[in-house]
Amino acid sequence: DAGITQSPRYKITETGRQVTLMCHQTWSHSYMFWYRQDLGHGLRLIYYSAAADITDKGEVPDGYVVSRSKTENFPLTLESATRSQTSVYFCASSEDSQTGEAFFGQGTRLTVV
Amino acid sequence: AQTVTQSQPEMSVQEAETVTLSCTYDTSESDYYLFWYKQPPSRQMILVIRQEAYKQQNATENRFSVNFQKAAKSFSLKISDSQLGDAAMYFCAYRTGSVGGSNYKLTFGKGTLLTVNP
Repeated sequence: DAGITQSPRYKITETGRQVTLMCHQTWSHSYMFWYRQDLGHGLRLIYYSAAADITDKGEVPDGYVVSRSKTENFPLTLESATRSQTSVYFCASSEDSQTGEAFFGQGTRLTVV
Repeated sequence: AQTVTQSQPEMSVQEAETVTLSCTYDTSESDYYLFWYKQPPSRQMILVIRQEAYKQQNATENRFSVNFQKAAKSFSLKISDSQLGDAAMYFCAYRTGSVGGSNYKLTFGKGTLLTVNP
């Protein structure tokens, strides 16, 4: 299916475990982003990528790792999950153009217990 | 760094009435884009409307329109003839206009939860 998809939609993990959230887009968009959404904070940028093998930190990168070996995939890894990382995570992609609209995945609700 | 402020955590409106959601932003750039996104209970982020900073004319999309005041750095969203389906969280967002720049990302406000009363 065309678009941007995230997996899993829901995840429960234990403190200290490593967990990876997947993001896949079919448009060959240059830019991809990871945001987390928390009540009272809106959406905050974790990491973003301008192209394959180019990534950069956003506002709240601590505790997260990203990679982008292929244009279409942008996984987000929590190396050692903490309760403060309980959140809804959104992946988005955007064209490399002035009017490029950002398209969002459905979100992943992650609970760290 | 750019910041986006939505000063109304919650708003309510009667069905068929008009409501305005406020957004202000801070930037030193002259070329940028502003967006309003809608997030219904399904969690999906939906683009409602977009405004290019270089355009003086306010953007409109059916019942949705904006009041863009560049000098005041204000970008409010007006929803006319409100419908029950408009109930959602609304986010204001900013993006630089410099393609390929390191700041080519969306910066969001904290959101306004809109309730539509029948």
